[in-house]
Amino acid sequence: AQTVTQSQPEMSVQEAETVTLSCTYDTSESDYYLFWYKQPPSRQMILVIRQEAYKQQNATENRFSVNFQKAAKSFSLKISDSQLGDAAMYFCAYRRRNAGNMLTFGGGTRLMVKP
Amino acid sequence: DAGVTQSPTHLIKTRGQQVTLRCSPISGHKSVSWYQQVLGQGPQFIFQYYEKEERGRGNFPDRFSARQFPNYSSELNVNALLLGDSALYLCASSLYLTGGAADTQYFGPGTRLTVL
Repeated sequence: AQTVTQSQPEMSVQEAETVTLSCTYDTSESDYYLFWYKQPPSRQMILVIRQEAYKQQNATENRFSVNFQKAAKSFSLKISDSQLGDAAMYFCAYRRRNAGNMLTFGGGTRLMVKP
Repeated sequence: DAGVTQSPTHLIKTRGQQVTLRCSPISGHKSVSWYQQVLGQGPQFIFQYYEKEERGRGNFPDRFSARQFPNYSSELNVNALLLGDSALYLCASSLYLTGGAADTQYFGPGTRLTVL
């Protein structure tokens, strides 16, 4: 079974600075997707960024980028120029390719942004 | 377009009761998945439905059941509620079932269930 681990329960960053959230996963599959979801206090899970395992290039979305290390099974999220609105729970998630839509989530990292 | 909607927002039940949670997917989406998120943890997969058929089930007891209607909305039922069923129940919808590159899941705001 696949597992996703987020080793940082809480992280803190100063507004306008950069922070990196860590995620490791365990799978025997070679073809899969990795995701970072943001869950603000409103509870709605919002997709931040997606990485396809067969693509070597790291995904970027504006201020958000990932460092995908397939051999190490590591998938970290970098948030640049942090904003107060980035404060939320962040979840790393895994999904097998072409095997339904079941997501396996990590335990989450709470990000606090200090003004 | 409206996003995924869920009702009710909050619900309080007592042990042994039964509860029904409802989800309306994004228009055009045919797949609905349910997740349970216990406070302080990541969501756990319960069910996936596609074209009204169950296509995946997580490690949950038979007290949990679900169905999908012809309009692709879905209900999650939980019987004989236990204190441990207290959680945020999330619904997610996607276009397809394949899990391919374009098949992103969009989540609703959830239903907070408290079992006393």
